[in-house]
Amino acid sequence: QQQVKQSPQSLIVQKGGISIINCAYENTAFDYFPWYQQFPGKGPALLIAIRPDVSEKKEGRFTISFNKSAKQFSLHIMDSQPGDSATYFCAARGAGGTSYGKLTFGQGTILTVHP
Amino acid sequence: DGGITQSPKYLFRKEGQNVTLSCEQNLNHDAMYWYRQDPGQGLRLIYYSQIVNDFQKGDIAEGYSVSREKKESFPLTVTSAQKNPTAFYLCASSIWSRTGKSGYTFGSGTRLTVV
Repeated sequence: QQQVKQSPQSLIVQKGGISIINCAYENTAFDYFPWYQQFPGKGPALLIAIRPDVSEKKEGRFTISFNKSAKQFSLHIMDSQPGDSATYFCAARGAGGTSYGKLTFGQGTILTVHP
Repeated sequence: DGGITQSPKYLFRKEGQNVTLSCEQNLNHDAMYWYRQDPGQGLRLIYYSQIVNDFQKGDIAEGYSVSREKKESFPLTVTSAQKNPTAFYLCASSIWSRTGKSGYTFGSGTRLTVV
């Protein structure tokens, strides 16, 4: 079974600080790596995503860094705000076979940004 | 507005009872998915369907059943065989594009509680 491991499980950051969430995957049969943000009682929403031929993607305060050789990718939230407090999930999309098109999710990180 | 509608938002099930969770989308997406979310365990795939009248088991299909008679609808039945059904259930649909935005769109979820 393909796996995506996410850390840390929870993260507390002061307002204005940098939040960093890490993910690692175990095989190379993935072709798309999205991050989702989920607020309590709501469904996850796509935040930012990257393809494996790119090492970094930035959208506003959110940046994905991707290290293909290490099979790792991370989400950086610059100038973290209390409104960023949510659960974040990394994911990886299957590139072929029975896993084609399916997302495998990490375990989630609960981010709390203190004012 | 296009989106995914899950109903009901809250559902209470008695022991030994089957219940059905509704999921409807008007995004014209071909693929639909059901996930279960438990604290600290991320999102686990129950069933998915890539086309009408076809569906496959995910990682935790035991005790659940689905149908896909229409492109827009993908209801999930939690049967009495599911021994620990209390969880937050999320429905999603997907579209994949090499040039446009890709990924899953999630509904707002149904919280099922056994009473």
